[in-house]
Amino acid sequence: AQSVSQHNHHVILSEAASLELGCNYSYGGTVNLFWYVQYPGQHLQLLLKYFSGDPLVKGIKGFEAEFIKSKFSFNLRKPSVQWSDTAEYFCAVNEGNQGGKLIFGQGTELSVKP
Amino acid sequence: EAGVAQSPRYKIIEKRQSVAFWCNPISGHATLYWYQQILGQGPKLLIQFQNNGVVDDSQLPKDRFSAERLKGVDSTLKIQPAKLEDSAVYLCASSPRGLGIYEQYFGPGTRLTVT
Repeated sequence: AQSVSQHNHHVILSEAASLELGCNYSYGGTVNLFWYVQYPGQHLQLLLKYFSGDPLVKGIKGFEAEFIKSKFSFNLRKPSVQWSDTAEYFCAVNEGNQGGKLIFGQGTELSVKP
Repeated sequence: EAGVAQSPRYKIIEKRQSVAFWCNPISGHATLYWYQQILGQGPKLLIQFQNNGVVDDSQLPKDRFSAERLKGVDSTLKIQPAKLEDSAVYLCASSPRGLGIYEQYFGPGTRLTVT
């Protein structure tokens, strides 16, 4: 069965530090890839997505992610985090022939210290 | 544009009781999803509707969970009877397009505690 793994459960960074959150998936076919973010007390919202084309995608708030097909990975990056980036981050995968169903990773909690 | 609405936001029940959750998707969105998010895990799809038809309910525990989407708009998810392991946040999401590539918009969720 399709699965999504996020390597880090909890990441703690200081402001201005660089961020990279790992995400790997198991499906070998066509995939659509997403990163969602949940700020404290708020609902899940889309950060960025990859459907096709340039494997480096840019999202909101300075985030970007790179799709590496050979590694089944879709890591999230940000060069300089801010305190307001404190949130939980979820990687999600949609198998291209399975409609809209999203399979989520277990999430990574990011804490940014001011 | 109004977002996905869910109610109630919180619910506490005893095991073996029944409970129902309501979702109102974004206007015009044809596809509606219910996800279960257990503490410390990512959301897991329970059921997906396209208009008022079920597309995927393969992970819905049908002996106790049921869902409907009458008239292709609002949806209700019911648990009867509830078990302790049903304690979770139940998320509703909707999507503006049908089967295929699209973005899902999530509601705030209903936090269920079963005691």
